[in-house]
Amino acid sequence: NAGVTQTPKFRVLKTGQSMTLLCAQDMNHEYMYWYRQDPGMGLRLIHYSVGEGTTAKGEVPDGYNVSRLKKQNFLLGLESAAPSQTSVYFCASSPSENRVNQETQYFGPGTRLLVL
Amino acid sequence: AQRVTQPEKLLSVFKGAPVELKCNYSYSGSPELFWYVQYSRQRLQLLLRHISRESIKGFTADLNKGETSFHLKKPFAQEEDSAMYYCALTGDYKLSFGAGTTVTVRA
Repeated sequence: NAGVTQTPKFRVLKTGQSMTLLCAQDMNHEYMYWYRQDPGMGLRLIHYSVGEGTTAKGEVPDGYNVSRLKKQNFLLGLESAAPSQTSVYFCASSPSENRVNQETQYFGPGTRLLVL
Repeated sequence: AQRVTQPEKLLSVFKGAPVELKCNYSYSGSPELFWYVQYSRQRLQLLLRHISRESIKGFTADLNKGETSFHLKKPFAQEEDSAMYYCALTGDYKLSFGAGTTVTVRA
């Protein structure tokens, strides 16, 4: 099992450009999440999904969109990148057998995004 | 609203010394708490969760509902414990993370 993988690992964007970050998991997990990690602020939830075809807003959703067309993939889109979106982005997934397992999350390696 | 506070951004200890990472939370319901760890150049991973009452890599954490705390402790720190540690609280399928504490264990 590859677990949770993220593409790309690193990207530089200019202000106003768009891009999509891909998260894939091969553990058949129902729940998937996108976080951003910033110094002094920990991990903040951007969007999450509790199943294929469903998405919901997290703590800091503005400027991002997501899609979960397939159970194994969770895409994070930036339509018009801004310097404030420079961050490390982490994807995570969790199973659904019970509540405790739902909240034990498995993380991807992260994507470093620099917006100039 | 749920919130997790880790008051220490940085923590430096000598090898063999005890280490304690503080975590306080606020949550209106019955909390479930976790500690996650991120070693250098590795992905974030679960260290332990309070419901399991387990000791992982010598670390333990006790949930104190009266003080709303979930401090992480290890009696004898090792150099391989150097990492970023996050306390997290759960509710409605979502985890809320603290800001993290960077631990450096010096020889």
